[in-house]
Amino acid sequence: DAMVIQNPRYQVTQFGKPVTLSCSQTLNHNVMYWYQQKSSQAPKLLFHYYDKDFNNEADTPDNFQSRRPNTSFCFLDIRSPGLGDAAMYLCATSRDFTGTEQFFGPGTRLTVL
Amino acid sequence: TQLLEQSPQFLSIQEGENLTVYCNSSSVFSSLQWYRQEPGEGPVLLVTVVTGGEVKKLKRLTFQFGDARKDSSLHITAAQPGDTGLYLCAGALGGGYNKLIFGAGTRLAVHP
Repeated sequence: DAMVIQNPRYQVTQFGKPVTLSCSQTLNHNVMYWYQQKSSQAPKLLFHYYDKDFNNEADTPDNFQSRRPNTSFCFLDIRSPGLGDAAMYLCATSRDFTGTEQFFGPGTRLTVL
Repeated sequence: TQLLEQSPQFLSIQEGENLTVYCNSSSVFSSLQWYRQEPGEGPVLLVTVVTGGEVKKLKRLTFQFGDARKDSSLHITAAQPGDTGLYLCAGALGGGYNKLIFGAGTRLAVHP
């Protein structure tokens, strides 16, 4: 089945220790998104890629970076995680910008000690 | 700032009851989506509504898009424990980039 896969599902890191979360998709969608979701809150868009074009949300901290080496994979790098970065990180895809339906992966729960 | 307000925030009901969840905004959306999210999982798309006044049914779930495309509702008939979860609405503003604006969600608990 076509899907969005996120690894790992659970990630524990130490304060200030860089961490990378990964997302892959078999939908062959052009757009990939990274969201941050804290408890009982709506998902907050961090950035997205349309193909290889990177778009940062204005309020995304510089601590967060992303890479998309090919259509299928996208990575979220957190350079120096703080306690406030503990959250669920969701990857999503959409066919293109005109197709509004976004398909989400299961998420990675990040804990910062 | 575009906002989507969902109400109620929390809903705790008994199996078999009916319920309605609302999603309201002052913005006009080109489309609106409803997602259900279970604890520790990503949101799962339930439905997309596009046309003002549109009604879509998915088994016991009925979705309606307001005539002015600013609001939407989700009605569940005879709720079951398996309906428990976080229900999120998300609106697309249209134009060149269909960024989704998410509501904060309604957390539903259905008790046997």
